[in-house]
Amino acid sequence: GAGVSQSPSNKVTEKGKDVELRCDPISGHTALYWYRQSLGQGLEFLIYFQGNSAPDKSGLPSDRFSAERTGGSVSTLTIQRTQQEDSAVYLCASSLRDRAGELFFGEGSRLTVL
Amino acid sequence: SQQGEEDPQALSIQEGENATMNCSYKTSINNLQWYRQNSGRGLVHLILIRSNEREKHSGRLRVTLDTSKKSSSLLITASRAADTASYFCATHEKLTFGTGTRLTIIP
Repeated sequence: GAGVSQSPSNKVTEKGKDVELRCDPISGHTALYWYRQSLGQGLEFLIYFQGNSAPDKSGLPSDRFSAERTGGSVSTLTIQRTQQEDSAVYLCASSLRDRAGELFFGEGSRLTVL
Repeated sequence: SQQGEEDPQALSIQEGENATMNCSYKTSINNLQWYRQNSGRGLVHLILIRSNEREKHSGRLRVTLDTSKKSSSLLITASRAADTASYFCATHEKLTFGTGTRLTIIP
């Protein structure tokens, strides 16, 4: 595809359920980022993948959050035992190579935990 | 913690006026970028300025960088209603974005 694709665009779940959010980056982009944005707030860094290097997980807020990137392309962000405070827009971005380049964002996945 | 902090948090101006937003950061950088976000969805890259540059232009956008003060400003000239959005600065090496300036252009 031409841009970063995220799915689902909207997800409503019940507290305690697990959710998976998917990100399909731009083909050829080696760097992939996940951010979280609560209503009216800035972007909170979650995790960063760069090529085959170990991911930077320093932004994950708890051990209920995990992410993987298979084959250096598609990434899945998993939230286990969701809580109401997990409600936010989860944004994925990719860039051509490293931390210094322009980021291309997807439209985000809006998660609502009831 | 946030590496970039935008100021003001919100700004409303009349269409046609110029809008200026500021960004302060804490540590040394290689470059600083400005992004725009409409309606809480994906961000769009506007402009990148490198640490050895002092000013950069792109259309109606003008960005300045003062590394001695660890600050940057984004100027939008001749504003239009379509410029209504949130604007963020980012220092990528730290993978962080500021909290954004919410700009409203009044027709």
